[in-house]
Amino acid sequence: DSGVTQTPKHLITATGQRVTLRCSPRSGDLSVYWYQQSLDQGLQFLIQYYNGEERAKGNILERFSAQQFPDLHSELNLSSLELGDSALYFCASSVAPGGFTDTQYFGPGTRLTVL
Amino acid sequence: GENVEQHPSTLSVQEGDSAVIKCTYSDSASNYFPWYKQELGKRPQLIIDIRSNVGEKKDQRIAVTLNKTAKHFSLHITETQPEDSAVYFCAASSQGGSEKLVFGKGTKLTVNP
Repeated sequence: DSGVTQTPKHLITATGQRVTLRCSPRSGDLSVYWYQQSLDQGLQFLIQYYNGEERAKGNILERFSAQQFPDLHSELNLSSLELGDSALYFCASSVAPGGFTDTQYFGPGTRLTVL
Repeated sequence: GENVEQHPSTLSVQEGDSAVIKCTYSDSASNYFPWYKQELGKRPQLIIDIRSNVGEKKDQRIAVTLNKTAKHFSLHITETQPEDSAVYFCAASSQGGSEKLVFGKGTKLTVNP
Protein backbone atom coordinates (compact mmCIF):
# COMPACT_ATOMS: atom_id res chain seq x y z
CA ASP A 1 0.00 0.00 0.00
CA SER A 2 1.52 3.30 -1.13
CA GLY A 3 -0.59 5.48 1.18
CA VAL A 4 -2.24 7.21 -1.78
CA THR A 5 -5.97 6.54 -1.98
CA GLN A 6 -8.30 6.94 -4.93
CA THR A 7 -12.06 6.65 -5.24
CA PRO A 8 -14.00 5.19 -6.85
CA LYS A 9 -12.18 2.04 -7.98
CA HIS A 10 -14.45 1.55 -10.95
CA LEU A 11 -16.73 3.92 -12.81
CA ILE A 12 -19.05 3.04 -15.66
CA THR A 13 -20.86 5.83 -17.38
CA ALA A 14 -22.28 6.91 -20.73
CA THR A 15 -20.96 9.21 -23.41
CA GLY A 16 -21.66 12.86 -22.76
CA GLN A 17 -21.69 12.45 -18.99
CA ARG A 18 -19.47 14.07 -16.36
CA VAL A 19 -17.56 12.27 -13.60
CA THR A 20 -15.30 13.24 -10.71
CA LEU A 21 -12.33 11.17 -9.58
CA ARG A 22 -10.91 11.74 -6.13
CA CYS A 23 -7.39 11.33 -4.77
CA SER A 24 -5.93 11.67 -1.28
CA PRO A 25 -2.13 11.95 -1.21
CA ARG A 26 0.19 10.32 1.31
CA SER A 27 0.37 12.10 4.63
CA GLY A 28 2.86 14.95 4.31
CA ASP A 29 2.93 14.99 0.51
CA LEU A 30 2.16 18.36 -1.03
CA SER A 31 2.32 17.49 -4.73
CA VAL A 32 -0.36 15.56 -6.58
CA TYR A 33 -0.05 14.30 -10.14
CA TRP A 34 -2.70 12.80 -12.42
CA TYR A 35 -1.83 10.26 -15.10
CA GLN A 36 -3.97 8.52 -17.69
CA GLN A 37 -3.14 4.98 -18.76
CA SER A 38 -4.70 3.61 -21.90
CA LEU A 39 -3.64 0.58 -23.95
CA ASP A 40 -2.48 2.58 -26.96
CA GLN A 41 -1.00 5.64 -25.22
CA GLY A 42 0.67 4.15 -22.17
CA LEU A 43 1.05 6.31 -19.06
CA GLN A 44 0.48 9.97 -19.89
CA PHE A 45 0.92 12.89 -17.52
CA LEU A 46 -2.18 15.08 -17.26
CA ILE A 47 -1.62 17.69 -14.58
CA GLN A 48 0.28 18.47 -11.36
CA TYR A 49 -0.75 20.47 -8.32
CA TYR A 50 1.48 21.62 -5.53
CA ASN A 51 0.01 22.88 -2.26
CA GLY A 52 -3.23 23.92 -3.91
CA GLU A 53 -1.75 25.57 -6.99
CA GLU A 54 -1.50 24.22 -10.50
CA ARG A 55 2.18 23.59 -11.24
CA ALA A 56 2.31 21.86 -14.61
CA LYS A 57 0.01 20.75 -17.37
CA GLY A 58 0.52 17.88 -19.75
CA ASN A 59 -1.71 16.30 -22.34
CA ILE A 60 -4.92 17.26 -20.59
CA LEU A 61 -7.98 17.86 -22.71
CA GLU A 62 -10.01 21.05 -22.28
CA ARG A 63 -12.95 18.84 -21.22
CA PHE A 64 -10.89 17.77 -18.21
CA SER A 65 -10.11 19.91 -15.18
CA ALA A 66 -8.64 19.36 -11.76
CA GLN A 67 -8.14 21.09 -8.46
CA GLN A 68 -6.37 20.53 -5.15
CA PHE A 69 -8.18 21.50 -2.01
CA PRO A 70 -6.80 23.04 1.24
CA ASP A 71 -6.70 19.56 2.83
CA LEU A 72 -4.51 18.56 -0.16
CA HIS A 73 -6.89 16.04 -1.67
CA SER A 74 -7.41 16.45 -5.38
CA GLU A 75 -10.25 15.90 -7.79
CA LEU A 76 -10.11 15.29 -11.53
CA ASN A 77 -13.27 16.26 -13.38
CA LEU A 78 -13.97 14.71 -16.76
CA SER A 79 -16.88 16.09 -18.78
CA SER A 80 -18.57 15.44 -22.12
CA LEU A 81 -17.13 11.96 -21.92
CA GLU A 82 -16.24 10.10 -25.08
CA LEU A 83 -15.55 6.42 -25.67
CA GLY A 84 -11.85 7.20 -26.00
CA ASP A 85 -11.73 8.52 -22.44
CA SER A 86 -12.04 4.97 -21.15
CA ALA A 87 -8.80 4.32 -19.30
CA LEU A 88 -7.15 3.84 -15.94
CA TYR A 89 -6.61 7.14 -14.15
CA PHE A 90 -3.84 7.21 -11.59
CA CYS A 91 -3.04 9.77 -9.02
CA ALA A 92 0.47 10.00 -7.59
CA SER A 93 1.90 12.12 -4.82
CA SER A 94 5.30 13.31 -3.72
CA VAL A 95 6.63 15.38 -0.86
CA ALA A 96 7.32 18.53 -2.83
CA PRO A 97 8.58 19.70 -6.18
CA GLY A 98 12.32 19.77 -6.61
CA GLY A 99 14.72 18.66 -3.94
CA PHE A 100 15.89 15.13 -3.31
CA THR A 101 12.89 13.44 -1.76
CA ASP A 102 10.49 13.63 -4.66
CA THR A 103 9.70 10.01 -5.42
CA GLN A 104 6.20 9.69 -6.79
CA TYR A 105 3.96 7.08 -5.20
CA PHE A 106 0.95 5.91 -7.14
CA GLY A 107 -2.56 5.27 -5.93
CA PRO A 108 -4.55 2.16 -6.95
CA GLY A 109 -6.22 3.95 -9.84
CA THR A 110 -9.77 4.48 -11.03
CA ARG A 111 -10.90 2.42 -14.00
CA LEU A 112 -13.26 4.51 -16.12
CA THR A 113 -15.43 2.82 -18.71
CA VAL A 114 -17.46 5.01 -21.04
CA LEU A 115 -20.22 3.17 -22.88
CA GLY B 1 9.64 18.12 -24.67
CA GLU B 2 11.05 14.96 -23.19
CA ASN B 3 10.67 11.69 -25.07
CA VAL B 4 11.52 8.30 -23.58
CA GLU B 5 12.04 5.23 -25.73
CA GLN B 6 12.01 1.79 -24.11
CA HIS B 7 13.18 -1.56 -25.50
CA PRO B 8 12.28 -4.32 -25.83
CA SER B 9 8.49 -4.21 -25.65
CA THR B 10 8.37 -7.87 -24.61
CA LEU B 11 10.99 -10.03 -22.98
CA SER B 12 10.80 -13.70 -22.10
CA VAL B 13 13.47 -15.36 -19.96
CA GLN B 14 13.97 -18.59 -18.09
CA GLU B 15 13.87 -18.55 -14.32
CA GLY B 16 17.32 -17.79 -12.98
CA ASP B 17 18.45 -15.90 -16.07
CA SER B 18 19.11 -12.16 -16.17
CA ALA B 19 16.85 -9.60 -17.82
CA VAL B 20 17.91 -6.23 -19.20
CA ILE B 21 15.59 -3.41 -20.26
CA LYS B 22 16.96 -0.28 -21.91
CA CYS B 23 15.63 3.25 -22.17
CA THR B 24 16.83 6.37 -23.92
CA TYR B 25 15.73 9.92 -23.22
CA SER B 26 15.93 13.09 -25.25
CA ASP B 27 16.07 15.98 -22.76
CA SER B 28 19.56 16.52 -21.38
CA ALA B 29 18.00 18.44 -18.46
CA SER B 30 16.40 15.24 -17.13
CA ASN B 31 18.03 14.25 -13.88
CA TYR B 32 15.79 11.68 -12.22
CA PHE B 33 15.11 8.21 -13.64
CA PRO B 34 12.73 5.85 -11.81
CA TRP B 35 11.67 2.37 -12.77
CA TYR B 36 8.20 1.10 -12.00
CA LYS B 37 6.79 -2.42 -11.97
CA GLN B 38 3.13 -2.84 -12.79
CA GLU B 39 1.16 -6.03 -12.42
CA LEU B 40 -2.06 -6.42 -14.38
CA GLY B 41 -4.72 -4.01 -13.15
CA LYS B 42 -2.55 -2.75 -10.30
CA ARG B 43 -0.72 0.48 -9.55
CA PRO B 44 2.80 1.17 -10.83
CA GLN B 45 5.19 0.44 -7.96
CA LEU B 46 8.59 2.05 -7.72
CA ILE B 47 11.32 -0.59 -7.69
CA ILE B 48 14.44 1.52 -8.05
CA ASP B 49 15.44 4.99 -9.13
CA ILE B 50 18.64 6.82 -9.99
CA ARG B 51 19.61 10.44 -10.10
CA SER B 52 21.97 12.05 -12.54
CA ASN B 53 24.80 12.45 -10.05
CA VAL B 54 25.43 8.68 -9.92
CA GLY B 55 26.15 6.14 -12.63
CA GLU B 56 24.87 2.97 -10.99
CA LYS B 57 22.62 1.88 -8.16
CA LYS B 58 21.91 -1.59 -6.89
CA ASP B 59 19.25 -3.08 -4.63
CA GLN B 60 19.57 -6.84 -4.15
CA ARG B 61 18.76 -8.44 -7.53
CA ILE B 62 17.92 -5.15 -9.22
CA ALA B 63 20.37 -2.62 -10.60
CA VAL B 64 20.10 0.47 -12.74
CA THR B 65 22.87 2.08 -14.77
CA LEU B 66 22.86 5.57 -16.23
CA ASN B 67 24.95 6.96 -19.07
CA LYS B 68 24.31 10.70 -19.16
CA THR B 69 26.52 11.29 -22.18
CA ALA B 70 24.62 8.81 -24.29
CA LYS B 71 21.32 9.66 -22.58
CA HIS B 72 20.38 6.12 -21.78
CA PHE B 73 19.69 4.07 -18.68
CA SER B 74 19.07 0.39 -18.13
CA LEU B 75 17.39 -1.92 -15.65
CA HIS B 76 19.12 -5.19 -14.82
CA ILE B 77 17.34 -7.99 -12.98
CA THR B 78 19.48 -10.97 -12.00
CA GLU B 79 18.35 -14.44 -10.91
CA THR B 80 14.87 -13.80 -12.22
CA GLN B 81 11.90 -15.44 -10.53
CA PRO B 82 8.34 -16.06 -11.81
CA GLU B 83 7.08 -13.30 -9.52
CA ASP B 84 9.22 -10.82 -11.47
CA SER B 85 6.76 -11.27 -14.36
CA ALA B 86 5.07 -7.90 -14.92
CA VAL B 87 5.23 -4.80 -17.08
CA TYR B 88 8.19 -2.56 -16.32
CA PHE B 89 8.18 1.15 -17.11
CA CYS B 90 11.11 3.50 -17.19
CA ALA B 91 10.56 7.22 -16.77
CA ALA B 92 12.48 10.46 -16.83
CA SER B 93 11.91 13.70 -15.01
CA SER B 94 13.61 17.05 -14.72
CA GLN B 95 13.19 18.78 -11.40
CA GLY B 96 12.48 22.46 -11.37
CA GLY B 97 9.52 23.75 -13.38
CA SER B 98 7.70 20.47 -13.52
CA GLU B 99 8.43 17.16 -11.89
CA LYS B 100 6.15 15.26 -14.23
CA LEU B 101 7.29 11.80 -15.22
CA VAL B 102 7.57 10.99 -18.91
CA PHE B 103 7.20 7.24 -19.27
CA GLY B 104 8.45 4.74 -21.77
CA LYS B 105 5.89 2.44 -23.39
CA GLY B 106 6.69 -0.44 -21.07
CA THR B 107 8.29 -3.88 -21.30
CA LYS B 108 6.27 -6.98 -20.59
CA LEU B 109 8.62 -9.38 -18.82
CA THR B 110 7.69 -13.04 -18.60
CA VAL B 111 9.80 -15.34 -16.45
CA ASN B 112 9.20 -18.96 -17.34
CA PRO B 113 9.59 -21.52 -14.54
